[in-house]
Amino acid sequence: EDQVTQSPEALRLQEGESSSLNCSYTVSGLRGLFWYRQDPGKGPEFLFTLYSAGEEKEKERLKATLTKKESFLHITAPKPEDSATYLCAVQAGAQKLVFGQGTRLTINP
Amino acid sequence: EAGVTQFPSHSVIEKGQTVTLRCDPISGHDNLYWYRRVMGKEIKFLLHFVKESKQDESGMPNNRFLAERTGGTYSTLKVQPAELEDSGVYFCASSQELRGELFFGEGSRLTVL
Repeated sequence: EDQVTQSPEALRLQEGESSSLNCSYTVSGLRGLFWYRQDPGKGPEFLFTLYSAGEEKEKERLKATLTKKESFLHITAPKPEDSATYLCAVQAGAQKLVFGQGTRLTINP
Repeated sequence: EAGVTQFPSHSVIEKGQTVTLRCDPISGHDNLYWYRRVMGKEIKFLLHFVKESKQDESGMPNNRFLAERTGGTYSTLKVQPAELEDSGVYFCASSQELRGELFFGEGSRLTVL
């Protein structure tokens, strides 16, 4: 059974304090690994798709990396507006996404 | 370009009643998905339409849930009769390609009392 585990569940950082979020997965035939950002009361907002081990993608202060067993979302010098829940999801043989429970990130000014 | 829109944003009903949720995908997106998040759990897949056809409905919890997409445009998800465990947030998403970015709506929060 496809499974996604995210850690930590919650993370509180000071503005400018860099860190990483982890997404571990077990899936038969990975077609893609997705990172989404979700703000309270909103739907998930697409950030990145990674397709193969070794791939990296960047957007502003965020950088996503992928290995055969896990993905990291690195946040460099975060700002309060980066506070959100970050979701990881995998797409396997079928078209559906399997989500992790998310990491709730809080950036204090 | 309008995003994925869902209606209602919040619905409160009594156990045993019926509720219909609606989703309007992004224009031109053939793929439409329903997901839901119940309290404390991860977002889970319910079903996938390609145009008006159900491609995968493996995530539908039971026969109290009925999804339709007439004409391949908007979709409805009906819960009849609603049970307490159906409470949660129901998300609709659409995509142009099978492999790639899903665009999510803001969700319909369902509370069953």
